[in-house]
Amino acid sequence: NAGVTQTPKFRVLKTGQSMTLLCAQDMNHEYMYWYRQDPGMGLRLIHYSVGEGTTAKGEVPDGYNVSRLKKQNFLLGLESAAPSQTSVYFCASREPTGRITGELFFGEGSRLTVL
Amino acid sequence: AQSVTQLDSQVPVFEEAPVELRCNYSSSVSVYLFWYVQYPNQGLQLLLKYLSGSTLVESINGFEAEFNKSQTSFHLRKPSVHISDTAEYFCAVSDRRGNTGKLIFGQGTTLQVKP
Repeated sequence: NAGVTQTPKFRVLKTGQSMTLLCAQDMNHEYMYWYRQDPGMGLRLIHYSVGEGTTAKGEVPDGYNVSRLKKQNFLLGLESAAPSQTSVYFCASREPTGRITGELFFGEGSRLTVL
Repeated sequence: AQSVTQLDSQVPVFEEAPVELRCNYSSSVSVYLFWYVQYPNQGLQLLLKYLSGSTLVESINGFEAEFNKSQTSFHLRKPSVHISDTAEYFCAVSDRRGNTGKLIFGQGTTLQVKP
């Protein structure tokens, strides 16, 4: 059981380039999330999805777009990368609140550097 | 809205000594409380959680945390740490009544266990 898988794990971009991070989960979870982790700031929520075909903004959505065309996949896009988007990105998934205990299952992270 | 404050960014401690990692939260609604651990170059893993019932919760590897509603705190403790406990620890909260399952994280505390 792979759990939550993120690709790619590392990427270097130049300012203005675009890219997409893919998150795939095989646990049939409804809810999926994209967080960014920066030193001294913990994890901040970028966007999230409560089901196939739905997305919503989190704390820091500017500069990012997302899509959830299939239940198992949650894509995070950067249309025009900026140095401020240099970060480690984590995807997570879970069952809806109230169904089980609310634990988030995380991928191993994608380290993005924007030059 | 909720917020989480972890009062120490780094906690150095010698092996076999006790440790406490402090977490305070602010919320206008009832919350679930979590501690996650992140080992180097890995994603986050759930360490323990408080959902309801006994305010003292324990993990399988000797950590415990106590929910203090009056102090709005959820401090993490271990009576005797091991080198293998070296990691970053994140406190997090989620809205009990919400339907999004979002977790709000603190800034993280790096536990450095020295031999």
